[in-house]
Amino acid sequence: AQSVTQLDSQVPVFEEAPVELRCNYSSSVSVYLFWYVQYPNQGLQLLLKYLSGSTLVKGINGFEAEFNKSQTSFHLRKPSVHISDTAEYFCAVIPLSGGYNKLIFGAGTRLAVHP
Amino acid sequence: DSGVTQTPKHLITATGQRVTLRCSPRSGDLSVYWYQQSLDQGLQFLIQYYNGEERAKGNILERFSAQQFPDLHSELNLSSLELGDSALYFCASSPGGTSGLQETQYFGPGTRLLVL
Repeated sequence: AQSVTQLDSQVPVFEEAPVELRCNYSSSVSVYLFWYVQYPNQGLQLLLKYLSGSTLVKGINGFEAEFNKSQTSFHLRKPSVHISDTAEYFCAVIPLSGGYNKLIFGAGTRLAVHP
Repeated sequence: DSGVTQTPKHLITATGQRVTLRCSPRSGDLSVYWYQQSLDQGLQFLIQYYNGEERAKGNILERFSAQQFPDLHSELNLSSLELGDSALYFCASSPGGTSGLQETQYFGPGTRLLVL
């Protein structure tokens, strides 16, 4: 079975400061990794995904994430956040076995950017 | 705007009732997924359909059922509703082509269900 742990339920940060949202996963098989963002009263939007290749993945809105296989982590980073980045962020995996692309989500991290 | 539409946006009903949630996928997408987002369970995969056929099942209760129609829209039916079924229900779609597991799932805005 697979599971995703987002280590921080809430992350407060000041505008223009850097931020890191942490994600660890557990799986007996290889996985694809994703970060989604949910703005208030909206659906989920894909920020970035790691499938293979370079472990540093760049996404939309200036976000990037680094896949670390030995630590089974996929932390999300942004060097300078804006008020508009205030949202809930979800880390998710798709296990490569089974052939079914059902996303397994973490509990989410609420990012609150303050002026 | 992801191109995935869901109706209704909000639904308030009573325990024991039955409701139907509707989802229209992005134009050309063959796969539809249903997810439930609740405070205690988080975001959970319920079920996937591909071109009218059930493809995968997750933690979907027996009181819940879904189908995908020939025009590729999908409906999620929730019956004998309980207070704990109150949640945000998302539909997502993907092309369902040869990219397989790498495909991005595009999410709709969700239907917020409140059971009183």
